[in-house]
Parts: sequence; structure tokens; C-alpha cells
Amino acid sequence: QLQLVESGGGLVEPGGSLRLSCAASGFTFNAHYMSWIRQAPGKGLEWISYITGSGRTIYYADSVRGRFTISRDNAKNSVDLQMNRLTAEDTGVYFCARQIAVAGFDRWGQGTLVTVSS
Amino acid sequence: QSALTQPASVSGSPGQSITISCTGTSGDIGDYNYVSWYQQHPGKVPKLLIYDVSNRPSGVSSRFSGSKSGTTASLTIYGLQAEDEADYYCSSYSTSTTTYVFGTGTKVTVL
Repeated sequence: QLQLVESGGGLVEPGGSLRLSCAASGFTFNAHYMSWIRQAPGKGLEWISYITGSGRTIYYADSVRGRFTISRDNAKNSVDLQMNRLTAEDTGVYFCARQIAVAGFDRWGQGTLVTVSS
Repeated sequence: QSALTQPASVSGSPGQSITISCTGTSGDIGDYNYVSWYQQHPGKVPKLLIYDVSNRPSGVSSRFSGSKSGTTASLTIYGLQAEDEADYYCSSYSTSTTTYVFGTGTKVTVL
């Protein structure tokens, strides 16, 4: 069945880097836009970035542009998020989500926790 | 990319109907019909309830209904049930900025 499984979260010091990965299965991966969305502890949802099915078009939220890079490997059915120059404000659960074009996020992974602290 | 505005909390008794508002701007909700709604139970993953303002994915109860007027979108839950107690988030896509923005979130309590 359809599955999205994130990995790569953990504890990192301020200024450090982390790479998250999302493994997809159960659907035609290259037919879907994919997003990363995060949720700080006890807070709301924040969209971070999305990538089109071909990987040719990418967009970022202002809060991460220039620090985070999204990419996908359609041969491996995976989408990654490279996060650099991390700060405490980047702490939270990071979800990967499948999109219905630009209409919404119809499937979500379980999330992976990123903690930025010294 | 300011967050869309939702009421912090809404409550109702079982069987009643409640409406959650989501206020944006002409740059997001006002100009586009890419509004979606999500339900999130504590410690759980968000679930898509509504997309494109008023469309329900298959498997979502018809008790959930979405609409929009001007720069405000709304989610109505009919026949409130105990299992509806959760956090609800709206979201809008803007083709001009090519970004998404989420609402501040609303905690629904079933009395």
C-alpha cells in the first residue's frame, strides 16, 4: 500500500547540517509533486519546500531559502531535504507529503524529529 | 508568507454543527481556489479533509464541508462527534508567490 517513510532526523548543533530522506512506495512516484512540511513542538504546520514530479521545478519558503535544498531521485522513489546552517528555530518534526498537484497534501509520512541544540 | 488566521478554539456539543474560519489575503485565498483543510489528532499525522476549497477526497466523511467567500475560507463539521476533537489547519497555495501557507490552527473541543 501507499507509504511515505522519513529518516535522517536527530540531534544537531546550531550551525550544523542534516540530510533527511523520504522513501515512497505504493504509487507512481514521478507523477506527483512532493513537499516537506515541518511542525515545531506544540506549534502549527509550516510548509518548507516542494519539488515537481520531474524535479525540474523547486520552490522554498522564505524561512529556509538559501539554507535548505530539496531533491528527488525518481529511480529510487525518494525525496531528500538537505538542511544547512541549522538554528534552534528549525527544531521540529519534519514530514514529507505527496501533493495533488498544487491542490493539497493527500498523503503524509510519519515524520522525523530534528532537534537543533548545543 | 504570513500565516492564515484561524480562531484558536471552537467547541460544540455532539450532533451540533460548527464552522472554522480561515482568513487570508487577496494574494492567497482571495485570488485562488487552492484552499485545503487538515485534521490532526494529538501525536498523529495530519489528514487531508478538503482540497480545492470544497472537494473531499474519497473516504472522508460527508460531514466535512468546505467553502470560500472573498478572502475567507470555512470548514463546517456537521453532526459533531467525539472523534472530531482534534486540531484543524487550513492551507492555501498562491500561484503568484508559488508558495503554500498554513493557518494558525484551531482546536476543536466536543463538549
